[in-house]
Amino acid sequence: EVQLLESGGGLIQPGGSLRLSCAASGFTFSGYAINWVRQAPGKGLEWVSAISGSDSSTYYADSVKGRFTISRDNSKNTLYLQMNSLRAEDTAVYYCAKATGGSCYSSIAYWGQGTLVTVSS
Amino acid sequence: DIVMTQSPDSLAVSLGERATINCKSSQSVLYNSNNKNYLAWYQQKPGQPPKLLIYWASTRESGVPDRFSGSGSGTDFTLTISSLQAEDVAVYYCHQYYSSPFTFGPGTKVDIK
Repeated sequence: EVQLLESGGGLIQPGGSLRLSCAASGFTFSGYAINWVRQAPGKGLEWVSAISGSDSSTYYADSVKGRFTISRDNSKNTLYLQMNSLRAEDTAVYYCAKATGGSCYSSIAYWGQGTLVTVSS
Repeated sequence: DIVMTQSPDSLAVSLGERATINCKSSQSVLYNSNNKNYLAWYQQKPGQPPKLLIYWASTRESGVPDRFSGSGSGTDFTLTISSLQAEDVAVYYCHQYYSSPFTFGPGTKVDIK
């Protein structure tokens, strides 16, 4: 059974940093691209970033480029999102989401339960 | 960036009736070399993460009831629920994975009339 367990969310002041983690199990982690998708309270889905399974190519939304860094450790079956220079508009539930294939040019097959990030003073 | 729009914003349909949701992309998401539309549909129920329904615009995900179907090509797509059930009350999102940034539509809320 595929499992994605996000952690690392919480309350952070504007300008601060946070690192999210996503522990994966139930599938061959290195074989799949993984995304971060966020959802502000009461709002729709916003794609944030993706990393491919094999060559770790990375992609970012314009709203986070230069501030967020996605990475993965295939030996630990874990995905990360380093978030710097956080803003109030980054407040959202952050979902770790497994793609249907190894390329980032794939639909999203499975989503974790999400971790809430609140940026506020 | 490819902008995804959906219509309507919300709709209410009687149980057993058809629900139709439209999605439009600001540029084509059809990749000519493999003739595939890089377009997916997701269902999100309150308090839950989204769930994949349809990928490649018209391929139903395993386990998804056959009352859900997707159609369209290029820039115009449709998700159809042929006979609405109570458990289909949710928000539905389209998603293009043709080019980065991989954008979502704003969502369509489906309720029972």
